Amino acid sequence: ILNVEQSPQSLHVQEGDSTNFTCSFPSSNFYALHWYRWETAKSPEALFVMTLNGDEKKKGRISATLNTKEGYSYLYIKGSQPEDSATYLCAFRGDTDKLIFGTGTRLQVFP
Amino acid sequence: NAGVTQTPKFRVLKTGQSMTLLCAQDMNHEYMYWYRQDPGMGLRLIHYSVGEGTTAKGEVPDGYNVSRLKKQNFLLGLESAAPSQTSVYFCASSSNTGELFFGEGSRLTVL
Repeated sequence: ILNVEQSPQSLHVQEGDSTNFTCSFPSSNFYALHWYRWETAKSPEALFVMTLNGDEKKKGRISATLNTKEGYSYLYIKGSQPEDSATYLCAFRGDTDKLIFGTGTRLQVFP
Repeated sequence: NAGVTQTPKFRVLKTGQSMTLLCAQDMNHEYMYWYRQDPGMGLRLIHYSVGEGTTAKGEVPDGYNVSRLKKQNFLLGLESAAPSQTSVYFCASSSNTGELFFGEGSRLTVL
């Protein structure tokens, strides 16, 4: 059973705060790590697909890092805005074709 | 741009009834997935397919069957619905290494 864990489960921050979340995944048989943003009443949308140890990706105020040897990835949001409020999901693909999701971190940004 | 389309979007079934959810994608993707979303449990993989004519079991396959007769379509069947199958079902597609593109979800209630 593949174990993909995310922490914290939920987070409340003030507008302008920077924040980060963690995704832990198996450190063996790594193929890719995905991050998705999921707004209420919508479908998940991809933020990043990361495949190499040490990868760092950035999209606007959101960035992510990857450590495949120890099995974790961090997602950072700089200067959070109310529109960043969403659930952030990570998903792990190992040496099978299954893409297994964590349970997500729910972020609420208050004005 | 249609992307990934799921039908129906809502359905109410009685215990023991059968139904099929249809997922269609127009991006020529090889990979297609069916997930279910339940409160507190994130997205759990039911079945997936890596190409036309192939299917494989995910994390929670029991009570479901799938078929991928055409590359663009991935069908999820419930032969004898149970209340435990009340959920929101998401279909997704991807290239073999890329991000997932999700449908809008299908809300199923089994009474």
